Amino acid sequence: KAGVTQTPRYLIKTRGQQVTLSCSPISGHRSVSWYQQTPGQGLQFLFEYFSETQRNKGNFPGRFSGRQFSNSRSEMNVSTLELGDSALYLCASSSRGSSDTQYFGPGTRLTVL
Amino acid sequence: AQSVTQPDIHITVSEGASLELRCNYSYGATPYLFWYVQSPGQGLQLLLKYFSGDTLVQGIKGFEAEFKRSQSSFNLRKPSVHWSDAAEYFCAVGTLLTGGGNKLTFGTGTQLKVEL
Repeated sequence: KAGVTQTPRYLIKTRGQQVTLSCSPISGHRSVSWYQQTPGQGLQFLFEYFSETQRNKGNFPGRFSGRQFSNSRSEMNVSTLELGDSALYLCASSSRGSSDTQYFGPGTRLTVL
Repeated sequence: AQSVTQPDIHITVSEGASLELRCNYSYGATPYLFWYVQSPGQGLQLLLKYFSGDTLVQGIKGFEAEFKRSQSSFNLRKPSVHWSDAAEYFCAVGTLLTGGGNKLTFGTGTQLKVEL
């Protein structure tokens, strides 16, 4: 099976812009989670989607949002970008998302100038 | 609230030497525990996981970890390190959420350097 794919791999934006990141889960996986990785805060949970519904959300402002499509692909959107949003954004998929193992994609490196 | 502590930020070992990376967790129920490895510019690769049963779990690349409930630990070990093992290692605990899913809470990571 193909692994989790994320596009684009690298992105450069300026403050105030918005950005959309995409994640395609492993075939058959219905749960997609998003994490932010920064040197200062480490790996932090953003949100999780299952069957097109946001099931859980981490402690991030409303500028961070996402959605999931019927084919389980997910997108994450960040509006009004701030310098502090520069990070590696990782997507993970799992079969049902309960006690399942999460498998990670290569990430999207977002740089905000 | 759940938390994970990796007390060693950096570790340097010689190639061929044994390795132990420490991980302590705080979680009220039976934990789901994971070790992931991350190479520069890459995502996280699963090394091994503990859900229940045998407390010594085997993973990929010759790694193993032992779950010790009394010590709230899940240390990662490898008997002989290879230069290609140089990377950052993350311990994580999986939390079941009321919404029906789960999230991973990660430690801060241990950067492993291998001296030839």
